[in-house]
Amino acid sequence: GESVGLHLPTLSVQEGDNSIINCAYSNSASDYFIWYKQESGKGPQFIIDIRSNMDKRQGQRVTVLLNKTVKHLSLQIAATQPGDSAVYFCAETDTGTASKLTFGTGTRLQVTL
Amino acid sequence: EAQVTQNPRYLITVTGKKLTVTCSQNMNHEYMSWYRQDPGLGLRQIYYSMNVEVTDKGDVPEGYKVSRKEKRNFPLILESPSPNQTSLYFCASSFGDSDEQYFGPGTRLTVT
Repeated sequence: GESVGLHLPTLSVQEGDNSIINCAYSNSASDYFIWYKQESGKGPQFIIDIRSNMDKRQGQRVTVLLNKTVKHLSLQIAATQPGDSAVYFCAETDTGTASKLTFGTGTRLQVTL
Repeated sequence: EAQVTQNPRYLITVTGKKLTVTCSQNMNHEYMSWYRQDPGLGLRQIYYSMNVEVTDKGDVPEGYKVSRKEKRNFPLILESPSPNQTSLYFCASSFGDSDEQYFGPGTRLTVT
């Protein structure tokens, strides 16, 4: 399948543990953020989004935290499963929409048994 | 099944030989977009379309063309491909530009 990147930072997590993936952004005007998951050979898949008027948003087993002061975004995955193994990347925009996203390069999550 | 399809999935071609990568969605989405993904650079938007006959440039439009004659299709055209267009290409669609984007499986293009 298609590979995403050759030298991505990698996070190894044991099955059942919680994972935290971090993303720093540079545009202080960014007002909408999205986390994507990309499995090997597949296109990116939307996980969760958050707007700048919030600092936390929860989904099913995932939580996104936004710290606008330090321009930092994190994705927390609870009870990590083997199916969570993928590349995760964040995207940001200052347009309030998904039409002009700036994407990060990603972090590879490896779940060990 | 709701999906975005791309064809071909893999293509090896030579410099200067015109090619088209097709993208089709069956979700009646108005918004469609093309991205390229390169190691160390992340996804970068090439072109997007808000609706039929409405297209606009993204961040890296040079060397590419698009058309949106029908709502479901958004082909990416490379009139004269060059080696620096070797990349992994993704098409995406959504109901609107504020909605979740659904990505296709990707097209791996190699230009020699």
